[in-house]
Amino acid sequence: EAGVAQSPRYKIIEKRQSVAFWCNPISGHATLYWYQQILGQGPKLLIQFQNNGVVDDSQLPKDRFSAERLKGVDSTLKIQPAKLEDSAVYLCASSARQGRPEAFFGQGTRLTVV
Amino acid sequence: QKEVEQNSGPLSVPEGAIASLNCTYSDRGSQSFFWYRQYSGKSPELIMFIYSNGDKEDGRFTAQLNKASQYVSLLIRDSQPSDSATYLCAGDSGGYQKVTFGIGTKLQVIP
Repeated sequence: EAGVAQSPRYKIIEKRQSVAFWCNPISGHATLYWYQQILGQGPKLLIQFQNNGVVDDSQLPKDRFSAERLKGVDSTLKIQPAKLEDSAVYLCASSARQGRPEAFFGQGTRLTVV
Repeated sequence: QKEVEQNSGPLSVPEGAIASLNCTYSDRGSQSFFWYRQYSGKSPELIMFIYSNGDKEDGRFTAQLNKASQYVSLLIRDSQPSDSATYLCAGDSGGYQKVTFGIGTKLQVIP
């Protein structure tokens, strides 16, 4: 079974530029998560999708971050404009339907904003 | 804010010893708890999950859950240098499987 796929693996951008990350979850997983992990901290949930609907985006900085999950499969996370404090690893994870909530993570995208 | 709290460590144990990692949570509605291992520069990897009060064993790992005390722990028996990593505790909350992570405890197993 293929795991969670993310791209790109690394990205360096200047502040005020925009960037987009892509995630393809494990086949059949209805729940998709985007986490931000700053060095030395635990993953922080940015947004959670159930199929193609948003169920939690309370910690997503909506003035600069946006995410979508069209057709309930793959997802993109966008930052526009980026700030220095957005430098982090962006992790995508997916989990199966209710009853099996454990999440499986992709390899992440390491973003550096300079 | 529903939280999951861990001591960031580092926790140092000699090779062959038992490593004990602890976690507390604030949301009494949480039903499921997870332990993830994260090697430096890698993504979290699920190693254990537990739903019921008591102990759950899987090889050298034992997860313990005490819902009355809102306490979760992970024991690693016969610790190996390859167990050196950060261990993230996580709990779910709400009906949509939202998973909240702690800061992680860094474990160092000394040969």
